[in-house]
Amino acid sequence: DIQMTQSPSTLSASVGDRVTITCRASQSISGWLAWYQQKPGRAPKLLIYKASSLENGVPSRFSGSGSGTEFTLSISGLQPDDFATYYCQQYNNYMNTFGQGTKLEIK
Amino acid sequence: EVQLLESGGALVQPGGSLRLSCAASGFAFTSFAMNWVRQAPGKRLEWVSTISGSGGSSYYADSVEGRFTFSRDNSRGMLYLQMNSLRAEDTAVYYCAKVGRGYSYGYMDSWGQGTLVTVSS
Repeated sequence: DIQMTQSPSTLSASVGDRVTITCRASQSISGWLAWYQQKPGRAPKLLIYKASSLENGVPSRFSGSGSGTEFTLSISGLQPDDFATYYCQQYNNYMNTFGQGTKLEIK
Repeated sequence: EVQLLESGGALVQPGGSLRLSCAASGFAFTSFAMNWVRQAPGKRLEWVSTISGSGGSSYYADSVEGRFTFSRDNSRGMLYLQMNSLRAEDTAVYYCAKVGRGYSYGYMDSWGQGTLVTVSS
């Protein structure tokens, strides 16, 4: 299985900040990577697919980049609604796997 | 609007069985592969299974292979996850999710609200 590792596990930031979350794959996954946002007690919400494609309706302050084994999710101009847990997911093959999550907290 | 509504979660004893259902609406159901994804309390998301739009192909995580069966009824817009020989480590919220357009497996653009399965004596 392809292992996905996110860093950091927890991130403290303030409204208006720009933050970056990194996701590393244990082997190359080309650009087959998605990012999700999850709030407590809620289902995940798709933000980014194919590493950098923004899902319809997702604010443009979210952006994704990377290929191969290293990927990033950036959020510019943090809004109060952005404080949540973020997961990456690789789908290079049907045995898709998720990172352990990054909790974005209010500083 | 895409809607996915899971049901069937319950408390079950180890070794027992349970069938989860997911009612889908608001999209061309037969055109999309579907997934089950689970999340144990405080843990990361874990892909469980994928089924093709026709229902002719399905894939499973090693952790559930041979115990879980994913099926769909395309005439009714329904998905089912039959879970047998349940273990404590199967305790989780189970989500059904729609795979992105044109993919046999992959990212998920719509999710249900989840249903809780607890395996305990």
